[in-house]
Amino acid sequence: QVQVVQSGGEVKKPGASVKVSCKASGYSFSAYYIHWVRQAPGQGLEWVGRINPNNGATNYAQKFQGRVTLTRDTSISAAYMELSSLRSDDTAMYFCAGGIRHWGQGTLVTVSS
Amino acid sequence: QAVVTQEPSLTVSPGGTVTLTCGSSTGDVTSGHYPYWFQQKPGQAPRTLIYDASTKHSWTPARFSGSLLGGKAALTLSGAQPEDEADYYCLLSYSGVWVFGGGTKLTVL
Repeated sequence: QVQVVQSGGEVKKPGASVKVSCKASGYSFSAYYIHWVRQAPGQGLEWVGRINPNNGATNYAQKFQGRVTLTRDTSISAAYMELSSLRSDDTAMYFCAGGIRHWGQGTLVTVSS
Repeated sequence: QAVVTQEPSLTVSPGGTVTLTCGSSTGDVTSGHYPYWFQQKPGQAPRTLIYDASTKHSWTPARFSGSLLGGKAALTLSGAQPEDEADYYCLLSYSGVWVFGGGTKLTVL
């Protein structure tokens, strides 16, 4: 069956970077874009960006341009989101979703001094 | 960046029908925005209900349907069940950049 498994929670200091992984199985990894979405505590969903697993082409929300990098490793059906210059308001649950249909369980990133 | 608008909250009676809407600050929502609808319950990842405005996944309960209505995307729930109480989000594409609506808190009461 389809599974999308994300890496575990992270605690980072302001100004640091974080890299979250997302590993898919049970479907053709190259068939769907991988999207990244975040949700701050008690808030709504926010689209971060997406990557085409076939060619690595990316689109980012304007808010995150220059601070987020999406990559993928097709050999292991994995995608990665790296967010730099972390601030306290980056504290959120980060989700990946294959084709916006197969969701990971989420990764809690906490930014605190 | 475009702003996507949803009703902040709605209430429906058990067995009743309710329609949630999703509008765009740039004008009418069309099939070219590839509207998505998601359900999210507390502590859970979102679950995709509808894509491309009206297409259901295999796991989408039959009581949910999507459409384009009056320049907006719409999610209609017919025959609400207590387990449908949740937050609902729409998502629109703007030439490859996607934007979520603020979400609708649906109460079944």
